[in-house]
Amino acid sequence: AQSVTQLGSHVSVSEGALVLLRCNYSSSVPPYLFWYVQYPNQGLQLLLKYTSAATLVKGINGFEAEFKKSETSFHLTKPSAHMSDAAEYFCAVSDPAGGGNKLTFGTGTQLKVEL
Amino acid sequence: KAGVTQTPRYLIKTRGQQVTLSCSPISGHRSVSWYQQTPGQGLQFLFEYFSETQRNKGNFPGRFSGRQFSNSRSEMNVSTLELGDSALYLCASSTRQGAGTEAFFGQGTRLTVV
Repeated sequence: AQSVTQLGSHVSVSEGALVLLRCNYSSSVPPYLFWYVQYPNQGLQLLLKYTSAATLVKGINGFEAEFKKSETSFHLTKPSAHMSDAAEYFCAVSDPAGGGNKLTFGTGTQLKVEL
Repeated sequence: KAGVTQTPRYLIKTRGQQVTLSCSPISGHRSVSWYQQTPGQGLQFLFEYFSETQRNKGNFPGRFSGRQFSNSRSEMNVSTLELGDSALYLCASSTRQGAGTEAFFGQGTRLTVV
C-alpha cells in the first residue's frame, strides 16, 4: 500500500528564512504526490503536485518541491517564509494502479513563522 | 467559478442519532470523495463516487454511507452516531476519476457528537 511519512509534526522558522518540510513516500511504483495546505477552520488547498512530468515542481505562493526517487522523498521548500505561511501542511500520495482519486495523507506538519 | 460547497458547516448531534452531510462539487466535476479528519487519526479516506457509483471505499464501518446524485451532488450519512465520530468531514471534487487528478476541497462540516 502507498503511504507517506512527514518528519516533524511542528516546524518553526523566522520570517524570511528558508522553509523545508519533509515528506518521504513508500510505493512500489512511481506515485503521484501532492502537497496541500490547511488554514485554521478551512479545507485543504492544493499547493503543487508531481505526476512524473518534471522532478522539480513549482506551486503556488512561492512553494516548490523536488521528487527524488533515490531518496523516496518529495520535500516542500520556500526560500523566504512569510507570516501568512503559518498553517498545517500535508503531503499526500495517490496510487496510479487503480486507486482512483483516493488520497493517502501524511500526519501533517504545523508550520509556525516567527518575527 | 464557485468552489466546493459543504453544508452545514457545523453540526451538533447526540449519540445514537444519525446525520446527513451534503456536498456540492465544482460545476462540471463528476467525482466526489469524502474524508474524515480527526486529531488522533488524521485525514482518512471514506469513499469516492463517480457518475453516481461508489468507486472506492475506505476502511470505515457500515454506519458510514454515501450516495451521489445525477447532478454530481453527494451526501454522506452516518447512522447510530458515536462520540468517536466527532470530526471534520471534508468533501473533495475532481473533474474525472484517476490517480493524479487534482482534488479541490470544501471547507468541511464540523460534526460534534455529544
